Amino acid sequence: EIVMTQSPATLSVSPGERATLSCRASQSVSSNLAWYQQKPGQAPRLLIYGASTRATGIPARFSGSGSGTEFTLTISSLQSEDFAVYYCQQYNNWIIFGQGTRLEIK
Amino acid sequence: QVQLQESGPGLVKPSETLSLTCTVSGASLSSYYWSWIRQPPGKGLEWIGYIYYSGSTNYNPSLKSRVTISEDMSKNQFSLKLSSVTAADTAVYYCVRDTALTYWGQGTLVTVSS
Repeated sequence: EIVMTQSPATLSVSPGERATLSCRASQSVSSNLAWYQQKPGQAPRLLIYGASTRATGIPARFSGSGSGTEFTLTISSLQSEDFAVYYCQQYNNWIIFGQGTRLEIK
Repeated sequence: QVQLQESGPGLVKPSETLSLTCTVSGASLSSYYWSWIRQPPGKGLEWIGYIYYSGSTNYNPSLKSRVTISEDMSKNQFSLKLSSVTAADTAVYYCVRDTALTYWGQGTLVTVSS
């Protein structure tokens, strides 16, 4: 079974700065990797699919990169509404999520 | 637009069967993958399983022995049954479309308690 590992568990960044979140797969998932944002009391929202394609309506400050086993989500200039929990998810072989990264205000 | 809505009991007794239904509007069940995802309070996301191509299913191996996902094409609904529940099955349950999970229901909290 594929294991998805996200790092760090918590990331503290100031508004306006760049945030870089990492996701590693225990075996190759090709580019079948998605990123989600979840705010308290809400369902997750799809940000990125295919490792690097922004979902409809997602601002350009969100970008994804990587393939195989190493992936990155970058938020170029953090806005107040971006502080949330972020999950990566592979869909190459069933569906498996990472444990999440909490992005908090520094 | 595509909308999904979960429905079912919010409280289930231990050892009983949890049953939820997802009503879909704006898309046909005969296309796409349709998943159930759950999230225990304060914890991460767990895929339960999906149904696709008019009736094929795949389940999370850790839950496979207790899970059944089915569909009712006439009502454009798909359903989840999880048997022999325990307190560990207490969670918000979401129904979701696609494998890159594009459309989500609002989620429904199911508590397992006597």
